[in-house]
Amino acid sequence: HSVLTQPPSASGTPGGRVTISCSGSRSNIGSNKENWYQQLPGTAPKLLIYLNNQRPSGVPDRFSGSKSGTSASLAISGLQSEDEADYYCAAWDDSLNGWVFGGGTKLTVL
Amino acid sequence: QVQLQQWGAGLLKPSETLSLTCTVYGGSFSDYYWSWIRQPPGQGLEWIGEINHSGSTNYNPSLMSRVTISLDTSKNRISLKLSSLTAADTAVYYCARENRGFFFDSWGQGTLVTVSS
Repeated sequence: HSVLTQPPSASGTPGGRVTISCSGSRSNIGSNKENWYQQLPGTAPKLLIYLNNQRPSGVPDRFSGSKSGTSASLAISGLQSEDEADYYCAAWDDSLNGWVFGGGTKLTVL
Repeated sequence: QVQLQQWGAGLLKPSETLSLTCTVYGGSFSDYYWSWIRQPPGQGLEWIGEINHSGSTNYNPSLMSRVTISLDTSKNRISLKLSSLTAADTAVYYCARENRGFFFDSWGQGTLVTVSS
């Protein structure tokens, strides 16, 4: 049972757009910056979005993040087959005084 | 370019203690926090705890009674010990560089630890 709630799966077609949601509470997403990670099969997670909508060097601008209140979203446009991966949201939680993660969303590009 | 390289025993028995080490190559060791995160097979990520260059630690309340994170600044190493293991502790364990409270921008390669009799 994860503190942040994500849909277990999402799908889209090549060239299309998909949005993955992440629902939290006032003590985590509502108070702190959420971030997103991409995990390809058999590899470590990789930082995708931080400080709400910043991308590390090398992450294409097809990936974008947004936040409203206690929920956040990751949008991926121009879907490509290599985007098939698990996506996790995370945020610092002031009540727990630690990090919390979403359960992950498995993205399938049909 | 920072790199995190981790190692440790991969197969342990119930009640034993897990011991993993992560060495940081490149970048500043003292400007960041360093976290351990685990991922049970087929499941999501769980934060275990963090440490800064001064040795100040912060643990996940659910694991606090069994976890010790320490560091050796002379070798840029962070260590994790998790005691009283059960099968539920079977997971891939990652070390990660943390911009404290904001994000994890570098991860180790992961170490699969299996707890089985």
